[in-house]
Amino acid sequence: DTAVSQTPKYLVTQMGNDKSIKCEQNLGHDTMYWYKQDSKKFLKIMFSYNNKELIINETVPNRFSPKSPDKAHLNLHINSLELGDSAVYFCASSQSRGEQFFGPGTRLTVL
Amino acid sequence: DQQVKQNSPSLSVQEGRISILNCDYTNSMFDYFLWYKKYPAEGPTFLISISSIKDKNEDGRFTVFLNKSAKHLSLHIVPSQPGDSAVYFCAASAGGSARQLTFGSGTQLTVLP
Repeated sequence: DTAVSQTPKYLVTQMGNDKSIKCEQNLGHDTMYWYKQDSKKFLKIMFSYNNKELIINETVPNRFSPKSPDKAHLNLHINSLELGDSAVYFCASSQSRGEQFFGPGTRLTVL
Repeated sequence: DQQVKQNSPSLSVQEGRISILNCDYTNSMFDYFLWYKKYPAEGPTFLISISSIKDKNEDGRFTVFLNKSAKHLSLHIVPSQPGDSAVYFCAASAGGSARQLTFGSGTQLTVLP
């Protein structure tokens, strides 16, 4: 059983398109996150979200938006994709203030 | 502005010997530190953590040491095994929780048989 899953694993798209990455966790955690791993391999937090609070990293463009249909899902929507959005995106979850469990990542390539 | 730094991008160690991975931080508000291990094409996996009220935490072959005055932590793996070959990320957070993690750039550990 995969604890944190992401789809798709690979996403290749043209500049200007709108795309979504889905994330699901079956751990019963109350907090979910999105990270971006850039070309220099840094993992940078984009959002953290539980049913009470959305925390947005101030450096994230507003073209990126998280959407949570329920506690087990946090999807990432990206509008008007740009070349610089190419990266690996990781979803993670945690129970309150505990350690985070990561998904396998989605490699996004914008052409 | 890198608040968490892993200055060694790579480290090679013989099987059975000790691996020491280092991490420095600049933000004095950080009070909770974690190490994650990452294999290619997988997400990071939590390994071990330490709170700033401790200076050492041990879990099997893995020990994390924290030197608050030097703003430095290290991960010791003894004995090292070929399966330990992976990228190791140091992460830190404030407020005593594992939310809002700030990650280092990672160190690629290669354990040679």
